[in-house]
Amino acid sequence: DAGVTQSPTHLIKTRGQQVTLRCSPKSGHDTVSWYQQALGQGPQFIFQYYEEEERQRGNFPDRFSGHQFPNYSSELNVNALLLGDSALYLCASSLAMVPYNEQFFGPGTRLTVL
Amino acid sequence: GENVEQHPSTLSVQEGDSAVIKCTYSDSASNYFPWYKQELGKRPQLIIDIRSNVGEKKDQRIAVTLNKTAKHFSLHITETQPEDSAVYFCAALPRRAGTALIFGKGTTLSVSS
Repeated sequence: DAGVTQSPTHLIKTRGQQVTLRCSPKSGHDTVSWYQQALGQGPQFIFQYYEEEERQRGNFPDRFSGHQFPNYSSELNVNALLLGDSALYLCASSLAMVPYNEQFFGPGTRLTVL
Repeated sequence: GENVEQHPSTLSVQEGDSAVIKCTYSDSASNYFPWYKQELGKRPQLIIDIRSNVGEKKDQRIAVTLNKTAKHFSLHITETQPEDSAVYFCAALPRRAGTALIFGKGTTLSVSS
C-alpha cells in the first residue's frame, strides 16, 4: 500500500521565481492538505483540496495556489518567491467521509529560496 | 481562529524517566486532538489521538489526557527510551468544515542513556 509521496525532495529557487510542488495521496484517500513547516516550528495549514476544489484555506497570501486532479493528486504553486518562503512543505492525505480521521503526511519537499 | 500553545519547547530526561508535554487550545469547539512524532529529517507520524468525548487514552507507554473545561491536553510517555528522542507536536481540529489541523510549535525531547 503506497503511502503519501511528494516530489521533488529538495528544491532551490531564487527570489521572484515560481515553484510547483507535487503530492500523491495514500491509496484510497480523497482529500489533500498542504502545510508549511518553517525551521523549528510546527506545520502551518495552507489549504485543503477535496473533489478538485479548495475547501478550506489558512492565512496565506494569494501567491500560494493549488490544484487537485481527478486522481486526487495535488499541486502547490507559489509565485513571486520570497526568502521567507524557505521551508519544508508537507502534504497530508485523509478520507473526507471518515470523521476524526488520521492525516497521513508525506516526506515533504524542502524549498530553499536564495 | 484556533490557537494551540505547547510547553515545554525542549525537554531532557534520563532513560526510564517519564516525560510530560502539555498543550492548551483556544477554540472550545475543537473536537479532535492528535499527537505527532517527527524524527530528524522525517515526516510527522501520528502516535496517539483523542476525541473530545474521551478524557484519557493509553497505548502501551504513551497516554494522552484531555481536560475540556480547562481546554488543555497532555502527552505522557513512561519508561522513556533513547528512540523516543524526537520532536513532538500536538494539534487540534476545530469543528468546522474541512480537516485543517492547527499545530503547536513542538517539543524537542531528548532521552539520554
